Amino acid sequence: GENVEQHPSTLSVQEGDSAVIKCTYSDSASNYFPWYKQELGKRPQLIIDIRSNVGEKKDQRIAVTLNKTAKHFSLHITETQPEDSAVYFCAAGGGADGLTFGKGTHLIIQP
Amino acid sequence: GAVVSQHPSWVICKSGTSVKIECRSLDFQATTMFWYRQFPKQSLMLMATSNEGSKATYEQGVEKDKFLINHASLTLSTLTVTSAHPEDSSFYICSAPPGAGATGELFFGEGSRLTVL
Repeated sequence: GENVEQHPSTLSVQEGDSAVIKCTYSDSASNYFPWYKQELGKRPQLIIDIRSNVGEKKDQRIAVTLNKTAKHFSLHITETQPEDSAVYFCAAGGGADGLTFGKGTHLIIQP
Repeated sequence: GAVVSQHPSWVICKSGTSVKIECRSLDFQATTMFWYRQFPKQSLMLMATSNEGSKATYEQGVEKDKFLINHASLTLSTLTVTSAHPEDSSFYICSAPPGAGATGELFFGEGSRLTVL
């Protein structure tokens, strides 16, 4: 099955700086790579996703890049704000087996 | 967008009792639903895949006799934790693909926090 590795587990950045979270996956059949933001006690919220036919996608301050050859994808958040503080999960999948999640990154935005 | 509703949000029960969690797709039909479990400060781990009209598929290490899944209609899947014990205390969350044609995308329920005393 799919195996997703996510780094770092904790990331602390100054407000206004950029944050980058990286994930690798193992199953070359995976074709869908979403990123979720989860606040304490709440459901994961999809913030951006990318499919295997695209190398990069951007939505305002958030961007995701995908390298299918190397089987890795990354989340980039620019101009970070205090409300960006949360746990972020990457995931990989796209077929009938649902999604496999990374272990999460606790993003801390320092004022 | 597609809405998945989960109930109850919180449940506290005594050890040895059973607890049922419901997951409903409100504005679409879900032939498949995924049940995840999340322990504190950990990731979401897939427990089982619920299929309408057939038996659920369980991930390795998940006891099918302890975590009973029923997907009797296209809008409702239930997870029953039988003979619950304190180690079953966790955040249980369901999700579903938003209908035919979608590839990979999942919509999540609100989650159910189970505390077993």
